Amino acid sequence: SAVISQKPSRDICQRGTSLTIQCQVDSQVTMMFWYRQQPGQSLTLIATANQGSEATYESGFVIDKFPISRPNLTFSTLTVSNMSPEDSSIYLCSAGGVWGIKNEKLFFGSGTQLSVL
Amino acid sequence: AQTVTQSQPEMSVQEAETVTLSCTYDTSESDYYLFWYKQPPSRQMILVIRQEAYKQQNATENRFSVNFQKAAKSFSLKISDSQLGDAAMYFCAYRSAMLSGNEKLTFGTGTRLTIIP
Repeated sequence: SAVISQKPSRDICQRGTSLTIQCQVDSQVTMMFWYRQQPGQSLTLIATANQGSEATYESGFVIDKFPISRPNLTFSTLTVSNMSPEDSSIYLCSAGGVWGIKNEKLFFGSGTQLSVL
Repeated sequence: AQTVTQSQPEMSVQEAETVTLSCTYDTSESDYYLFWYKQPPSRQMILVIRQEAYKQQNATENRFSVNFQKAAKSFSLKISDSQLGDAAMYFCAYRSAMLSGNEKLTFGTGTRLTIIP
């Protein structure tokens, strides 16, 4: 299994500012994902963080709003830019996978609770 | 695109009794994985059980078992001898088994499980 450390665990931010969330995995993984969970809702995938290349964004999410970095196989960041109250959510990092092996689980960090005033 | 449906927003069960959470999904793929994740108030997404579509035998993990009906695209979770610590949101999730390098999870809307002492 993989242990995922995510920080900050929570933050309260002002409208118009940006917040960068960090995700550190204790082993090398092929896949890292960023999810958003709005209050009382399910998890929605924002993007797949690709090592060494631009992230792959899902419909409704754009790079200018949610820039993502993945400099190596154990670390990724998600930035929530120019925040508005609608961005108040839990943001979760997910990771897993050994290349070429299908039978792998995905693990989650403990999430970042973001409140935008 | 794959979809996952959980038709029970809330369920409750007496402690020590058995409860079944429902999940249906839609896909055109023949090889995939299905998961049940548990999310307690701590926000941590905890993997409860996993089923591989090519396996006919239903997965079991201690008090947790699934009823996987591939033709009906149904994947229910049975919790036996319910305990207070089982209280949480439960999410059903789908993941393709194709080695495309983008094996994201698609989640249902969740079922909130309450355990009655």
